[in-house]
Amino acid sequence: EVQLVESGGGLVQPGGSLKLSCAASGFTFSGSAIHWVRQASGKGLEWLGHIRSKANNYATAYAASVKGRFTISRDDSKNTAYLQMNSLKTEDTAVYYCSKPDSDSSSSKFDPWGQGTLVTVSS
Amino acid sequence: QSVLTQPPSVSGAPGQRVTISCTGSSSNIGAGYDVHWYQQVPGTAPKLLIYGNSNRPSGVPDRFSGSKSGTSASLDISGLQAEDEVDYYCQSYDSSLSGWVFGGGTKLTVL
Repeated sequence: EVQLVESGGGLVQPGGSLKLSCAASGFTFSGSAIHWVRQASGKGLEWLGHIRSKANNYATAYAASVKGRFTISRDDSKNTAYLQMNSLKTEDTAVYYCSKPDSDSSSSKFDPWGQGTLVTVSS
Repeated sequence: QSVLTQPPSVSGAPGQRVTISCTGSSSNIGAGYDVHWYQQVPGTAPKLLIYGNSNRPSGVPDRFSGSKSGTSASLDISGLQAEDEVDYYCQSYDSSLSGWVFGGGTKLTVL
């Protein structure tokens, strides 16, 4: 069974940093991209960025809203992807999900998703 | 404001049919990128409902169907049941943004 488990969420002050993890199992992690998506309370889904596989040079792409502040990385030896979040703002408060695309195509679908981890940015 | 536009809410009586629209533009749906639909029970992760515009993953009832035309897509739900009263999101890719995009979400109310 394909499974993704996020961790690392918590309370952080504005301007602070936090690193989320996405532990994967049930598929060949090294051959797959991983996406990060967030959802503020009562709001919709927002794509944040993704990291591709080694075969695709670990290429990354980010949404404009987080580019320059957030960095996605991966450790294939640990079957884990990471989301490093710096210069956090109160508006970054959300549940953060990682998800596996079914391909490298731009038309890829996200399935499955992790259970999410809550990040709260507040003083 | 979301790149893909969905109605904030739709409603229907049990047994009836409802349609949720997802309107995009020439840089996403109109450019030929697939549209996918997700169902989300509040407090839980989204679940894939329809992929590749009109395909159902195994286990999804055939009451759910999807279509795409031009710069828009639609999710049809027939034979409404109380358990369908959750949130629905469309998703595609946008070439102008060079990233994946979601609709703002639609809350379905079963009257």
